[in-house]
Formats: sequence, C-alpha cells, structure tokens
Amino acid sequence: KAGVTQTPRYLIKTRGQQVTLSCSPISGHRSVSWYQQTPGQGLQFLFEYFSETQRNKGNFPGRFSGRQFSNSRSEMNVSTLELGDSALYLCASSIVDEQFFGPGTRLTVL
Amino acid sequence: QKEVEQDPGPLSVPEGAIVSLNCTYSNSAFQYFMWYRQYSRKGPELLMYTYSSGNKEDGRFTAQVDKSSKYISLFIRDSQPSDSATYLCAMSEVHAGKSTFGDGTTLTVKP
Repeated sequence: KAGVTQTPRYLIKTRGQQVTLSCSPISGHRSVSWYQQTPGQGLQFLFEYFSETQRNKGNFPGRFSGRQFSNSRSEMNVSTLELGDSALYLCASSIVDEQFFGPGTRLTVL
Repeated sequence: QKEVEQDPGPLSVPEGAIVSLNCTYSNSAFQYFMWYRQYSRKGPELLMYTYSSGNKEDGRFTAQVDKSSKYISLFIRDSQPSDSATYLCAMSEVHAGKSTFGDGTTLTVKP
C-alpha cells in the first residue's frame, strides 16, 4: 500500500512570494492534515480537511490556506512568505485513530 | 503553558538498555495517545497508538497511559542502535487528524 506522498520535497523561495505544496494521502483515507515543524516550535497543527471541507484549523495567520479535492488530494498555500515560514511542512492522512505522515516538504525562505 | 510537555532529553543509553520516554498533558479531553519515531530528515512514523488507560505492547515497545495522572510513557526494551531517533508523543481529542505534539526526545543508543 502506497504511503503519503508530498511534492515537491524541497523548495527555495524569497520573501513576499507565494508557494503551493501538494499532498496525496493513503488510498481510502479521507482526512488530510497539515503540520509545520521547526526547531524552535516543534510540530504545530495547521489545518485538517475531511471530504473537501476544513474540519479543524490551528493558530496560524490567514496567509496559510489549504484545500482538498474530491480524490482526497490536498494542497496547502502560503502567501506573502516571511523568513519565519522556513520549515518542514508535513502532510498526514488518517482514519480515526491512526495518522500517517509523508516525508515532508522542506521550504526555505530567503 | 503547553498542553503537552515531553521530557526534553537528549537521552544516551548503551545497546540493550531499557528506555523510558515520558509526556504529561493538561487537556483532560485528550482521548487518543500516540507515539511517533522520526529519523533525521524524514517524516514521523507512527509507532503505537492507544485510547485507554493501561499498557499496550508491540514487540519491544510498550505504551503506557495513566489518564488520572495525565501521564503517558513509551518503554523500549533491548534498545538497538537503529532505535536512535527523535521520539514524539502526540494526543488528540476526537480523532488523530488534529493532534497536539510534544517537542520530542532525541535518543541515541550506543553499540
């Protein structure tokens, strides 16, 4: 069974730009969550989508947004990038009590 | 104060030792408790999950939950160098899709 896939794996952007990250969940999983991981703040919840609807949202500014498509694939967008947005962005798909992570997209903002 | 506090480490043990990793939490609504292992430059890998107080065993790993004390632990028996990684505890209220994580404990098992 294929795991969670994320593209791209690495990304370098400059301040003020915007970026879109993509996630394909495990087949059959309808919930997709996004997390930001940094050395200083650890793993923080961004938002969760279930059946194309945002089900939960973390404490991040509105520059962070996402969406989910009918095939459960999800995208995350960050607009007006700031230096502090440099992080590993992790996508996870889940079924009730089991959550599985992808390898992440490492975003560097210069 | 954070909802989930994890023993910070780092932890260094000899091969074959028993390792204890611990987290405390303040949100009594947490129902699902998970442990993840994360190798450098990789995504977290789900090791174990449970939703009841008591012990759950899987091979060399035992997850322990004490809801009355708001305390969870992961024990690793006969630790191996391949166990060297960062271990993250995570908890959620209704389902795993919205989890709150501890900051992680970095474990090194020396041959």
